[in-house]
Amino acid sequence: GAVVSQHPSRVICKSGTSVKIECRSLDFQATTMFWYRQFPKQSLMLMATSNEGSKATYEQGVEKDKFLINHASLTLSTLTVTSAHPEDSSFYICSAALAGSYNEQFFGPGTRLTVL
Amino acid sequence: LAKTTQPISMDSYEGQEVNITCSHNNIATNDYITWYQQFPSQGPRFIIQGYKTKVTNEVASLFIPADRKSSTLSLPRVSLSDTAVYYCLVGDPRFTSGTYKYIFGTGTRLKVLA
Repeated sequence: GAVVSQHPSRVICKSGTSVKIECRSLDFQATTMFWYRQFPKQSLMLMATSNEGSKATYEQGVEKDKFLINHASLTLSTLTVTSAHPEDSSFYICSAALAGSYNEQFFGPGTRLTVL
Repeated sequence: LAKTTQPISMDSYEGQEVNITCSHNNIATNDYITWYQQFPSQGPRFIIQGYKTKVTNEVASLFIPADRKSSTLSLPRVSLSDTAVYYCLVGDPRFTSGTYKYIFGTGTRLKVLA
């Protein structure tokens, strides 16, 4: 089956620094990738939809200047949390989809971000 | 986008069949119903997807009535390792539609007891 990886799996950083999270589709080309955030005991919240070669579409309430998304290739999307603060601490999950077919989204294992 | 409603939590015992029902009254003609399983600190894992009637795979069955306003995920003979959160999602999985995206509801927290 299709595999999506994320790197790093967990990261701890100081307040004010920027953190980059990578999402890769390992064995298929993903024209669309999605980024989610999940707080403890809560459901996944869609942050943005990322299409290869174009600007990401952000959900209402998500700051595009704070959460920078780059989908430069068909196998890689990156999420950069700029000037991270403790309230940005969360579990970030990406998923990838293959366009043009009836297909489920393939989710990555997630990245645990802790901002001190 | 269709909104889904599921029970917040369920308890079951090992070896029992578990049925989790999801309501999606506003499902659209092109929408499919997909169920995911999520363990703590992991990404969701695909379980099953269907459009109508019944779908069965090696891990679960999905029952969808004719009006498609609800669906039921059936897990046969659950074990302790099936303790997880189960999400019902509704949407058009044909990404050529250009507007497809998953909106996760609250999910159902299933706890399997020994």
